[in-house]
Amino acid sequence: QQKVQQSPESLIVPEGGMASLNCTFSDRNSQYFWWYRQHSGEGPKALMSIFSNGDKKEGRFTAHLNKASLHVSLHIKDSQPSDSALYFCAVSKSGGSNAKLTFGKGTKLSVKS
Amino acid sequence: GALVYQYPRRTICKSGTSMRMECQAVGFQATSVAWYRQSPQKTFELIALSTVNSAIKYEQNFTQEKFPISHPNLSFSSMTVLNAYLEDRGLYLCGARDWGSEQYFGPGTRLTVL
Repeated sequence: QQKVQQSPESLIVPEGGMASLNCTFSDRNSQYFWWYRQHSGEGPKALMSIFSNGDKKEGRFTAHLNKASLHVSLHIKDSQPSDSALYFCAVSKSGGSNAKLTFGKGTKLSVKS
Repeated sequence: GALVYQYPRRTICKSGTSMRMECQAVGFQATSVAWYRQSPQKTFELIALSTVNSAIKYEQNFTQEKFPISHPNLSFSSMTVLNAYLEDRGLYLCGARDWGSEQYFGPGTRLTVL
């Protein structure tokens, strides 16, 4: 059964700093990876997806995937107080709508001004 | 844009009673709907995954007898928590997706059991 682990559990970074979030998965057949962000009182929202090895950049956010190492990460550059939230890594073996998404336990990010 | 609504946002029920929650997808076709429970510690537990025209798949520790789900069309799903007890409290999230898309989440239904 797929296991998804995230680290650290919580992270405090200064405003303008870099936040790095890590995620490891156990199933080598995993193909699709998402990062979700959840602000307090809201449901999670997809931040970005990555399906190929390497880096994917969207604005201040960069995701990195290394399938051989069973590792995916998210880096947030120039962190803002509004980035303070829970971040979840989600993994699935296929992109079909019937594919099961397995979530990690999340990283709580606090950006201090 | 793609939106998911959940009703009610908060509900309180007495121990041993049941409550029904609803999920509505707007702006896309919800070919699959996943129901999750998020604990106070924020961990996600997948309850079941429902795909239109397929049987609903329940995860270990969750049963149809306890959490019956209906997914009658491409925009609506409902789930009932039968005989709710303290351990059933939490935030129930509905995640809906179309083929190849991300999973869009609603804001959740927060269940408190007295």
